[in-house]
Amino acid sequence: AQSVTQLDSQVPVFEEAPVELRCNYSSSVSVYLFWYVQYPNQGLQLLLKYLSGSTLVESINGFEAEFNKSQTSFHLRKPSVHISDTAEYFCAVSEGTSYGKLTFGQGTILTVHP
Amino acid sequence: NAGVTQTPKFQVLKTGQSMTLQCAQDMNHEYMSWYRQDPGMGLRLIHYSVGAGITDQGEVPNGYNVSRSTTEDFPLRLLSAAPSQTSVYFCASSLWAGELFFGEGSRLTVL
Repeated sequence: AQSVTQLDSQVPVFEEAPVELRCNYSSSVSVYLFWYVQYPNQGLQLLLKYLSGSTLVESINGFEAEFNKSQTSFHLRKPSVHISDTAEYFCAVSEGTSYGKLTFGQGTILTVHP
Repeated sequence: NAGVTQTPKFQVLKTGQSMTLQCAQDMNHEYMSWYRQDPGMGLRLIHYSVGAGITDQGEVPNGYNVSRSTTEDFPLRLLSAAPSQTSVYFCASSLWAGELFFGEGSRLTVL
């Protein structure tokens, strides 16, 4: 069975500082990997995804994540955060054709301070 | 432009009562699923469906029923509510395995 571990429950940073949110997964088969973001009192939105090909994937708002198969990790990074990036971030894994079934990590609350 | 619509947004129940959380999507997605979100536990899959007439259990199915009579609708039924079912419930749909579109959530409190 697959599982996802987000290593930090809360990450406080100052505006314009870099940030890394860590995610490790375990699975016995090939996986698809995702980062979702949840703003207060809203549903989750897809931030970025790794399906195949280049191990470095990017979002439209400056986040990037790198798939590292040997370390079974998919860490999320941003070189300079904004106040508006304050949200909860979830790493998730899907085992191939698992028909819309994702396994989520516990979530990391990113708080950006002015 | 509705996407995934959940009703109600808030509900308070007494222990033992039953209720149905409604979920509808207008994107013609085959896959639909229900998750519950609890602090520090992420989202856990309750039930999912790969198409009309087909449902299956997820990680935490006990105490919940689902049915899928149409592509658009996927209601979640609580048979006899318990305080342990106090949670935020999210319905999601997807066209393929992975990229989920979520509703805004239904916050349920069981007293």
